[in-house]
Amino acid sequence: EAGVAQSPRYKIIEKRQSVAFWCNPISGHATLYWYQQILGQGPKLLIQFQNNGVVDDSQLPKDRFSAERLKGVDSTLKIQPAKLEDSAVYLCASSRGETSYEQYFGPGTRLTVT
Amino acid sequence: AQRVTQPEKLLSVFKGAPVELKCNYSYSGSPELFWYVQYSRQRLQLLLRHISRESIKGFTADLNKGETSFHLKKPFAQEEDSAMYYCALSPASGGSYIPTFGRGTSLIVHP
Repeated sequence: EAGVAQSPRYKIIEKRQSVAFWCNPISGHATLYWYQQILGQGPKLLIQFQNNGVVDDSQLPKDRFSAERLKGVDSTLKIQPAKLEDSAVYLCASSRGETSYEQYFGPGTRLTVT
Repeated sequence: AQRVTQPEKLLSVFKGAPVELKCNYSYSGSPELFWYVQYSRQRLQLLLRHISRESIKGFTADLNKGETSFHLKKPFAQEEDSAMYYCALSPASGGSYIPTFGRGTSLIVHP
């Protein structure tokens, strides 16, 4: 089966600009996660979707970050406007369901904000 | 609040030597503990889960609730074990798995 796909793989923007990331989970996986991984740290969950509904977004900085999963499949994560501290790798992961412990990760998008 | 601590950023050993990657956690309830691994130029993937009590690629990890630790061990390290290892905790409430990750330990196995 094809793995989790993410694009773009790399993005460089200036502060105050906007950026969007795209994720296509494994076919049939109901749960989708977005993580932020700052250099030298472990991944931090930003938001979890179950189908097209939000399960947890308690760590999403909602003043500048937004995410959607309109049809319960693909998802986009947007940052508007970006700050220097948003420089990180953004990981998408999916699992079969909310109670499935095994998450499958995408390759990540490396964002550099200058 | 839940917290995972991996005290070593880097662990360097020679091939054939024993390896122990340390993980300590803080959580008031009953946790599920996991180890994830990321090999060079590969994706982050699950290595093992404490409930399964399996040995994966020669690695084992025992949950010690008294010491709140979940150290990853392997008796004889191989060069292909060189990777970034992350310990993670998720509440075992029967609901969603929402892991909290440690900062990771880079394991380098020299020939």
